[in-house]
Amino acid sequence: AQKVTQAQTEISVVEKEDVTLDCVYETRDTTYYLFWYKQPPSGELVFLIRRNSFDEQNEISGRYSWNFQKSTSSFNFTITASQVVDSAVYFCALSVDNYGQNFVFGPGTRLSVLP
Amino acid sequence: NAGVTQTPKFQVLKTGQSMTLQCAQDMNHEYMSWYRQDPGMGLRLIHYSVGAGITDQGEVPNGYNVSRSTTEDFPLRLLSAAPSQTSVYFCASRGGLAGEQFFGPGTRLTVL
Repeated sequence: AQKVTQAQTEISVVEKEDVTLDCVYETRDTTYYLFWYKQPPSGELVFLIRRNSFDEQNEISGRYSWNFQKSTSSFNFTITASQVVDSAVYFCALSVDNYGQNFVFGPGTRLSVLP
Repeated sequence: NAGVTQTPKFQVLKTGQSMTLQCAQDMNHEYMSWYRQDPGMGLRLIHYSVGAGITDQGEVPNGYNVSRSTTEDFPLRLLSAAPSQTSVYFCASRGGLAGEQFFGPGTRLTVL
């Protein structure tokens, strides 16, 4: 069975601070996909990134960066120089490559960026 | 492309009433799912479909029915609403197992 853990329930930072959101996953499959989604206060779910299990290269997109480490089964998300607009709930998710709908979400981390 | 659409956006039901939450996508995606989101519990899978005519249960299927007669539509039926079904419901679609899920805007349901 697959599982995603986001140990940080809530994080508060002051604007311009860097913040890292942790994600630890469990799966026995060798082919899998990891995702991050953002849910702002307006409620919609916004896709941020997808990584497959064969690509451990870290990724940077503007102020966002992701660190994928298979050795520790982690897929952490860092926001550099946080802004108030980054305040949201962030979900990490895992999908395995088998027939069927196996897409598991973590419980989410609520990030509050204070001005 | 409209993406994934859901109706209604808000709904209030009385215990025992039935209703259907509508979901449609225009991306020709095979995979569609229904999730419910409750405070502190993330998103939990209710039912999913891997193609027209094929559906299966997710983690929390009790009290809900689905059908998939077309690729585009995936309605969720509440047979006899209960207060425990008060939640925000999201429909999602994806083009394949490797793809990301595209979510609808959600339906906020309250059962009194």
